[in-house]
Amino acid sequence: DGGITQSPKYLFRKEGQNVTLSCEQNLNHDAMYWYRQDPGQGLRLIYYSQIVNDFQKGDIAEGYSVSREKKESFPLTVTSAQKNPTAFYLCASSRHGPGETQYFGPGTRLLVL
Amino acid sequence: SQKIEQNSEALNIQEGKTATLTCNYTNYSPAYLQWYRQDPGRGPVFLLLIRENEKEKRKERLKVTFDTTLKQSLFHITASQPADSATYLCALGSQAGTALIFGKGTTLSVSS
Repeated sequence: DGGITQSPKYLFRKEGQNVTLSCEQNLNHDAMYWYRQDPGQGLRLIYYSQIVNDFQKGDIAEGYSVSREKKESFPLTVTSAQKNPTAFYLCASSRHGPGETQYFGPGTRLLVL
Repeated sequence: SQKIEQNSEALNIQEGKTATLTCNYTNYSPAYLQWYRQDPGRGPVFLLLIRENEKEKRKERLKVTFDTTLKQSLFHITASQPADSATYLCALGSQAGTALIFGKGTTLSVSS
C-alpha cells in the first residue's frame, strides 16, 4: 500500500527534552511537510522540503528542526526551545512542490509530562 | 496579511438535507482552492480541487463553487448522511508554488 506513515501515534516529552517524530512516505513524492494543529487554530506550517538535503521554514519554525537525508523520510525534532509543544503533528507529502494536493499521514499527538 | 475564513466552527443539519460550507479569503489571489475532510484524531483527506477559471466542480454528492469576484468558495454536500460528519478544511494555493494556506475548518454534524 502506498501512503504516509507517522510514528509514534502518541509521544510524551519531559521538560527540557528533545523528541523526534518520524515521517515516511512511499509515494515517490518530492515534497514533504510538517504541520502543527491546535484546537481552533487550523493547520500551521512548520517546515517543508521540496528536495533531498533542502528545506524551508514555515510560519512557526522556531523550536523545531528537520532533516531530509532521504527522499522518503522527513523527521521532525521538537527541541527544548519549543515551550508549548503539546499539539497534534501532521506530516504530508505532495508530488512536486508546495501548493499541490497534499496527502497526510495519521498524525502524532505530543504531550508534555 | 493573507486571511482565510470558514463561515463557522460548527454546522448542524438533519440527514437528507444539503450542507453548505463557506470559505472566504482576503489579500490573496489563489490559482486554485482545495477542500479536505478530517475525522477526529486523523489526518486530512483530499476531496476536491477547483481552479480559478472553473465555476463549479462536482464529485458524487459533493459540489464546490469558486467565485473569485466575491473571494469565496462554497462546498455543498447533498443528501447528507451521518457518515458525512467531520471537519472540512479549505486550502488556497497559488501558481507561484507557495505553500497551501489552510482555513481553521468547519465541523459538520449530521443527525439522523
